[in-house]
Amino acid sequence: GAGVSQSPSNKVTEKGKDVELRCDPISGHTALYWYRQSLGQGLEFLIYFQGNSAPDKSGLPSDRFSAERTGGSVSTLTIQRTQQEDSAVYLCASRKQGEDTQYFGPGTRLTVL
Amino acid sequence: AQSVTQLDSHVSVSEGTPVLLRCNYSSSYSPSLFWYVQHPNKGLQLLLKYTSAATLVKGINGFEAEFKKSETSFHLTKPSAHMSDAAEYFCVVSPNTGFQKLVFGTGTRLLVSP
Repeated sequence: GAGVSQSPSNKVTEKGKDVELRCDPISGHTALYWYRQSLGQGLEFLIYFQGNSAPDKSGLPSDRFSAERTGGSVSTLTIQRTQQEDSAVYLCASRKQGEDTQYFGPGTRLTVL
Repeated sequence: AQSVTQLDSHVSVSEGTPVLLRCNYSSSYSPSLFWYVQHPNKGLQLLLKYTSAATLVKGINGFEAEFKKSETSFHLTKPSAHMSDAAEYFCVVSPNTGFQKLVFGTGTRLLVSP
């Protein structure tokens, strides 16, 4: 497992449904980030996890968005009651403590119909 | 607060000619600066980074960038473009302490013609 992996790679859902996006960071990386890439907004930060500390949720656009990180490894981003404006590519990145480079996964393309 | 401005949304070059992608940054403290590349339907790949060491930074695939504090610039260059360089390039700024949230520029799409 060399890099960050994300699943699914593509997700099509209907407006109003809930979705879960998964991120597996690089083994040993303590920091994990979620970003969103959309046509209108570019690339924007959503949420950050560092070890066992409380996450920084300052980038989440609404209370329909939440994320958790279990056991300091895998993270799940959940979007409840999806809206069409949630359509975007959701990117996950991880970083090793003490280093400054974030490594990105391939992303999940979410389409809300 | 931090921000980056990528001055060109599109840059077109011919194969074998130099590449210049421009980036200006704003930061209230000493930042880390990065260039990432994104090929179509692919994830973001780190090209190079500046973190207060040498001001001329060399990256992968022949790219380099020079940090100029007086001009608040971090332009990306390559002496000779290849067709495979066609992609979207993002200039990124981050504080070099704390949780290091990345702030992305709007991207520059590089088009390379034969």
